[in-house]
Amino acid sequence: AQSVTQLGSHVSVSEGALVLLRCNYSSSVPPYLFWYVQYPNQGLQLLLKYTTGATLVKGINGFEAEFKKSETSFHLTKPSAHMSDAAEYFCAVSGMDSSYKLIFGSGTRLLVRP
Amino acid sequence: NAGVTQTPKFRVLKTGQSMTLLCAQDMNHEYMYWYRQDPGMGLRLIHYSVGEGTTAKGEVPDGYNVSRLKKQNFLLGLESAAPSQTSVYFCASSAGGPPQYEQYFGPGTRLTVT
Repeated sequence: AQSVTQLGSHVSVSEGALVLLRCNYSSSVPPYLFWYVQYPNQGLQLLLKYTTGATLVKGINGFEAEFKKSETSFHLTKPSAHMSDAAEYFCAVSGMDSSYKLIFGSGTRLLVRP
Repeated sequence: NAGVTQTPKFRVLKTGQSMTLLCAQDMNHEYMYWYRQDPGMGLRLIHYSVGEGTTAKGEVPDGYNVSRLKKQNFLLGLESAAPSQTSVYFCASSAGGPPQYEQYFGPGTRLTVT
């Protein structure tokens, strides 16, 4: 069974500050991990994904995430927040099985203060 | 190339009424999915399809039916709407199953059942 926990339903940062959105997962099989972003009144868009190989994954818009197996974490970071980063962010996990499922976390809304 | 489109964008139903949500994709994707999004709960998979003429149940299938008569379309039906089905519904498609293939999301349908 797989699950995702996102710590903090809301995160507020100042423009130019570090963004850190936390994601912990549980998986009985080697996980594939994803971060999606949802801008207001829009569908979800893939930011980045970890499959195998390099544990530091770079995505669009300057975001990156690091897979840490020992901590079962996949936290999303960006060195300097921009006003346009304000959105809801979802972490998701899938396994190397045939379930065809993405399991989503409950989401974290990022607020960027001017 | 419109990607994934959903019809309608908004709908208000009375308890007991029926309706069909239409999802269309122009990317020739084999896999299609219906999710519902509720506050604080992320996205949950309702039904999915791995090809034309096939459907399968996801996490929360009760009260919904689906059909995939054409490869490009995936219909979600509510036979007798209930207030618990008030939600935002997202359709997605992918060239293959997760985790290898990215899911592309539509803009969503906001449904209110009174």
